[in-house]
Amino acid sequence: GAVVSQHPSRVICKSGTSVKIECRSLDFQATTMFWYRQFPKQSLMLMATSNEGSKATYEQGVEKDKFLINHASLTLSTLTVTSAHPEDSSFYICSATGGGALIYEQFFGPGTRLTVL
Amino acid sequence: AQSVTQPDIHITVSEGASLELRCNYSYGATPYLFWYVQSPGQGLQLLLKYFSGDTLVQGIKGFEAEFKRSQSSFNLRKPSVHWSDAAEYFCAVGPLYSGGGADGLTFGKGTHLIIQP
Repeated sequence: GAVVSQHPSRVICKSGTSVKIECRSLDFQATTMFWYRQFPKQSLMLMATSNEGSKATYEQGVEKDKFLINHASLTLSTLTVTSAHPEDSSFYICSATGGGALIYEQFFGPGTRLTVL
Repeated sequence: AQSVTQPDIHITVSEGASLELRCNYSYGATPYLFWYVQSPGQGLQLLLKYFSGDTLVQGIKGFEAEFKRSQSSFNLRKPSVHWSDAAEYFCAVGPLYSGGGADGLTFGKGTHLIIQP
């Protein structure tokens, strides 16, 4: 149980285009979803927190107009990288927490590798 | 602000030998502590977590960790490593919940574990 999926697993796009990444909780309702970014050989950095039906809360230094987050349902959050540039190339990982016994752990998706040419 | 320090960027251990990965944290209250493992190009897998109670926690794959409040440490140990343990290991700390709801985790920079045959 408590599985989180991400789609796509890899995406390559041209500079200036927008890319949408989906994060789904497959077998539980995710009251909160998180988006992290990981540069090569580095740690995960929290980008934003989203609660279902609310606006996302972005960490300091993260451009909210560039990284659009939508958490429209209890099982789906999307991250849209708008007008992507090569410096946005990274590994994006989402995680989710649920209710009840699931509140004490974050369940991570497998990640999405974004390459901007 | 909370922070996590993993002082060892790389560790090389012979197969069958014991392992200890260090983690120190800075946090203003009783932390929730986690160890995750990440294989190349993959998401994160939870090895173990500490919330309260017994300071020695057992995890999956034969790992254990000990919470030492006086030293602000949460070191990961394994008595005998296997070649399949080669991966990146991340220590993380978080409150899980604060006044506004669920919170993201703060990760250390990771320790790259190399297993020698």
